[in-house]
Amino acid sequence: EIVLTQSPGTLSLSPGERATLSCRASQSVSSSYLAWYQQKPGQAPRLLIYGASSRATGIPDRFSGSGSGTDFTLTISRLEPEDFAVYYCQQYGSSSTFGQGTKLEIK
Amino acid sequence: QVQLVQSGAEVKKPGASVKVSCKASGYTFTGYYMHWVRQAPGQGLEWMGWINPNSGGTNYAQKFQGRVTMTRDTSISTAYMELSRLRSDDTAVYYCAREYNWNYVYWFDPWGQGTLVTVSS
Repeated sequence: EIVLTQSPGTLSLSPGERATLSCRASQSVSSSYLAWYQQKPGQAPRLLIYGASSRATGIPDRFSGSGSGTDFTLTISRLEPEDFAVYYCQQYGSSSTFGQGTKLEIK
Repeated sequence: QVQLVQSGAEVKKPGASVKVSCKASGYTFTGYYMHWVRQAPGQGLEWMGWINPNSGGTNYAQKFQGRVTMTRDTSISTAYMELSRLRSDDTAVYYCAREYNWNYVYWFDPWGQGTLVTVSS
């Protein structure tokens, strides 16, 4: 099973700042199988990024994804108040796993 | 619009079974795999497996092998996840999510609203 490790566990930033979230895989993952989701309290996860770097429909361009192999990054260029949430990376090969999540909180 | 609507919250005793439904609308139900993911209180997301609504074929995460059964009823565009021999640590919100793929790129979208299953004596 591929293990995804996200860092940091919690990220404290202010609106307007840049956020960089990391997702490291225990073995190489095809970029085609790497996605990022945002989850707010009491809500289902929402797709942000698929194929490691493609934004889902309706996702603002302040969100971007990058990376390959075992290291992937989600960047939020300028934080808006509605961006404070938990973010998960996911890989999907023959089975699927999620990272443990990064909580983005207001500083 | 594409939508997944799940059944309501359940309270079960240890050792019992629970069956959660996920009704799809807005797309061809048999054209896309359906996945189930759970989230224990305050915890992360845990993938449970998928069902191919067209063939009924399934693939379960090893952790749930022998306890989970995923089925579907194509006549009403509904997928089901049944978990047996429930334990207290099965208390979680259970989500269905449609797999979408395009040009061999895969992702889950949309997700159902979630169903809280509470296991308590």
